[in-house]
Amino acid sequence: DIQMTQSPSSVSASVGDRVTITCRASQDIGSWLAWYQQKPGKAPKLLIYAASSLQSGVPSRFSGSGSGTDFTLTITSLQPEDFATYYCQQANSFPALTFGGGTKVEIK
Amino acid sequence: QVQLQESGPGLVKPSQTLSLTCTVSGGSISSGSYYWSWMRQPAGKGLEWIGRIYTSGSTFYSPSLKSRVTISVDTSKNQFSLKLSSVTAADTAVYYCARGVLSGAAAGTIDYWGQGTLVTVSS
Repeated sequence: DIQMTQSPSSVSASVGDRVTITCRASQDIGSWLAWYQQKPGKAPKLLIYAASSLQSGVPSRFSGSGSGTDFTLTITSLQPEDFATYYCQQANSFPALTFGGGTKVEIK
Repeated sequence: QVQLQESGPGLVKPSQTLSLTCTVSGGSISSGSYYWSWMRQPAGKGLEWIGRIYTSGSTFYSPSLKSRVTISVDTSKNQFSLKLSSVTAADTAVYYCARGVLSGAAAGTIDYWGQGTLVTVSS
């Protein structure tokens, strides 16, 4: 099974900060990686697919990069509505899905 | 706009079977471009994939739950369902139904989620 490891597990940041979250796969998954945002009491929302493609309607301050085993989600100029938990998910090991453990972005 | 809505009992007794249904609106569940999944999330924890079904009826389950899970689809009602047998307190979680993309660059990703339903296992 492919394991997904996110770091850090939480990060404190201020409005306007740049935030970077890392996701590492236990084996090469090419670019088959997605990022989701989840706010308390809500379902996750797809932000990024294919490692770097922005889902329709998602603000351009969100960006993804990486391939193989190492991936990054970057939020430039953090906004109040961006405080949430972020999950990566590998889509390589079809049909199984595996999520990372999550990264909580908190207000500093 | 596609919408998914989970329904079913919010309280299930230990050793019994958890049953949930997901109703899809705003699109046909028979579309060959998508698959249909169940995920769950215990309070304060991460997301766990339970399984998926294709409109053909083919299913794939998480190895850790495979012996207890059944997912089925009713295309006439635009619904798919989850059954999880022999539940314990460890199965207490918010259960989500979701639509997955089957092909293209976004293949394997989940583009629409239900709002989630809390199922508590307790006597």
